[in-house]
Amino acid sequence: EAGVTQFPSHSVIEKGQTVTLRCDPISGHDNLYWYRRVMGKEIKFLLHFVKESKQDESGMPNNRFLAERTGGTYSTLKVQPAELEDSGVYFCASSQDATSYNEQFFGPGTRLTVL
Amino acid sequence: SQQGEEDPQALSIQEGENATMNCSYKTSINNLQWYRQNSGRGLVHLILIRSNEREKHSGRLRVTLDTSKKSSSLLITASRAADTASYFCATASYNQGGKLIFGQGTELSVKP
Repeated sequence: EAGVTQFPSHSVIEKGQTVTLRCDPISGHDNLYWYRRVMGKEIKFLLHFVKESKQDESGMPNNRFLAERTGGTYSTLKVQPAELEDSGVYFCASSQDATSYNEQFFGPGTRLTVL
Repeated sequence: SQQGEEDPQALSIQEGENATMNCSYKTSINNLQWYRQNSGRGLVHLILIRSNEREKHSGRLRVTLDTSKKSSSLLITASRAADTASYFCATASYNQGGKLIFGQGTELSVKP
């Protein structure tokens, strides 16, 4: 069974540009989460989808970040315009259900570098 | 921090020694999980311990949970150079709606 995949693995962009990250969850997983680790700090929650609906977007830092999950399958996270402080590793995770006992499976992450 | 503290922040040991990492959290939880991240790669799930469990083993890993102190520890026995990585604890609670709250992590370096 394929795990969570993320694309690209690494992105280097200039400040002010736009970047779109993609996450493909494990097939059949309704729950999809985005997290990020900025500059070696702790890993922070960004948002949670249940199918195509945003269940919790309390961790989104500002309106430069837009997440979508059309059709309830893969998800995209767009940063527009990117700022220096957006550099970090963006992780996606999926789970079958959102009960607190359910393990989340993480993707390899996308390393974003904003110059 | 959303979560609390992990200590130590960095730990350097020789191969064969044991490594112990601690994690404290702030709220009531349903489970606590430990993850590993190798040099900028993805997060690998190591072990999950439920709030009604006190100890759990998986291979060379031993996790304890003390809900009265809101703390957990991860013990890696007979460490190997390949164990060099960042280790994170993460908690899940009913009032968190499924999201995980991570600690700041411990950087473990195992020298051959």
